[in-house]
Amino acid sequence: DAGITQSPRHKVTETGTPVTLRCHQTENHRYMYWYRQDPGHGLRLIHYSYGVKDTDKGEVSDGYSVSRSKTEDFLLTLESATSSQTSVYFCAISDATGGSGGELFFGEGSRLTVL
Amino acid sequence: SQQGEEDPQALSIQEGENATMNCSYKTSINNLQWYRQNSGRGLVHLILIRSNEREKHSGRLRVTLDTSKKSSSLLITASRAADTASYFCATDATGANNLFFGTGTRLTVIP
Repeated sequence: DAGITQSPRHKVTETGTPVTLRCHQTENHRYMYWYRQDPGHGLRLIHYSYGVKDTDKGEVSDGYSVSRSKTEDFLLTLESATSSQTSVYFCAISDATGGSGGELFFGEGSRLTVL
Repeated sequence: SQQGEEDPQALSIQEGENATMNCSYKTSINNLQWYRQNSGRGLVHLILIRSNEREKHSGRLRVTLDTSKKSSSLLITASRAADTASYFCATDATGANNLFFGTGTRLTVIP
């Protein structure tokens, strides 16, 4: 299994509080992604990174920010959590872009509940 | 908007039968990938097919791609109870670096 660790795996928080999810990889892959998975919507890309300090927005980036200060860590921050951000969040890594056939390796997910 | 949409949303079959699930997408692609997700787990890559390929096999998996119809199918032959999972197609859009996932097909294989 690819070395991807997400933390925390489960979190319950209240509306308006900040939340940070961490993704840590030991594969030295260049690309890292944050997806959210919701019933009826499948997986939607929030943000991705193509290198240290290089990040870009995905299709559902509003309300989220990311940072990548080291190759191995990709942080997803909800500055002020809302109930609509209740979801399961997946981190993924790859050593090539999707457009060039890069295979994604996924973490086990972080389940976030915003009350 | 999502690039891929799977059909059916749910499929229930007996062990030993074949399972076929379909994926339709909207724009030109470089490649299409299929992933599997067991309940409560992350997705796992199954197979990739490139836009210049029409069919690909991997063990009990057979994937077809029809770029003229913008569709793909995943066939699992001789299904097993352990194949019970959700299956997702993922496509890139030409010129994009990311993969876009569909909503998935939930497969239940009854022993």
